Amino acid sequence: DTGVSQNPRHKITKRGQNVTFRCDPISEHNRLYWYRQTLGQGPEFLTYFQNEAQLEKSRLLSDRFSAERPKGSFSTLEIQRTEQGDSAMYLCASSLVLQGDGYTFGSGTRLTVV
Amino acid sequence: AQSVTQLGSHVSVSEGALVLLRCNYSSSVPPYLFWYVQYPNQGLQLLLKYTSAATLVKGINGFEAEFKKSETSFHLTKPSAHMSDAAEYFCAVWSTGNQFYFGTGTSLTVIP
Repeated sequence: DTGVSQNPRHKITKRGQNVTFRCDPISEHNRLYWYRQTLGQGPEFLTYFQNEAQLEKSRLLSDRFSAERPKGSFSTLEIQRTEQGDSAMYLCASSLVLQGDGYTFGSGTRLTVV
Repeated sequence: AQSVTQLGSHVSVSEGALVLLRCNYSSSVPPYLFWYVQYPNQGLQLLLKYTSAATLVKGINGFEAEFKKSETSFHLTKPSAHMSDAAEYFCAVWSTGNQFYFGTGTSLTVIP
C-alpha cells in the first residue's frame, strides 16, 4: 500500500481555465475527504465521501467546484473558471473509521492560478 | 462550534532546547484532539492524538501533549529539539460533523 496518492503535484493554470485533480485513497478506506489549504492557514474542509456518496459539502465549495467518486475508489475535484483566489494546496485524505482516527493525508496538489 | 487556536505563528528554539507549541480548543462536547506536522510541499503527518483515554499522550519523534480540560489546552512539547523538527505544526479538533477543524499552524525553526 503506497498511501494516498494525489496527481498532479503541481498545476499552473490561467485564470478562467478548468482544472481537475485526482486522488487515489488507500484501497480499503471507504471515506475520502478533500481539504483546501491557503498560504499561512490550516487546511479547511471542502467535502467528503463515504464510498461513492458525497455526504457533506462545505459552504467553501462554490458552484464552480465539483467532486466525484464514481466507483467508490478514486476521486476527482474539478474547478471550473478558475480564479486567482483558488490558488492553494488541495489535500485529499482517506480513512476507514470515524472520529478522525486513522486518517491518512496525501501530499497534495498545489494549484497556482495566474 | 468547534475550533482551535494556536498561539504563536512562529516559534524559534535552539537545537537541544525544549519545544513548546500551544493549542487551545473550543468544543461543546468532549473533543478528539490531534497534532499534525507538515514538511514543505508535503501532506500532513499525524504526530499524536487524544481520544478520551490518558491525558498525557505520547507521539512519534519524541513529541508528547497533555490534555488539560480545565485550561481547554492541548500543548505539544518535546524535551530536546532536533534540526529535523523544523516544520509547520497544526493542532486540530475532530468534529462530530465528520471533519477536522485545524488551527492556523505554528512554524517551528530550530537554530543550530
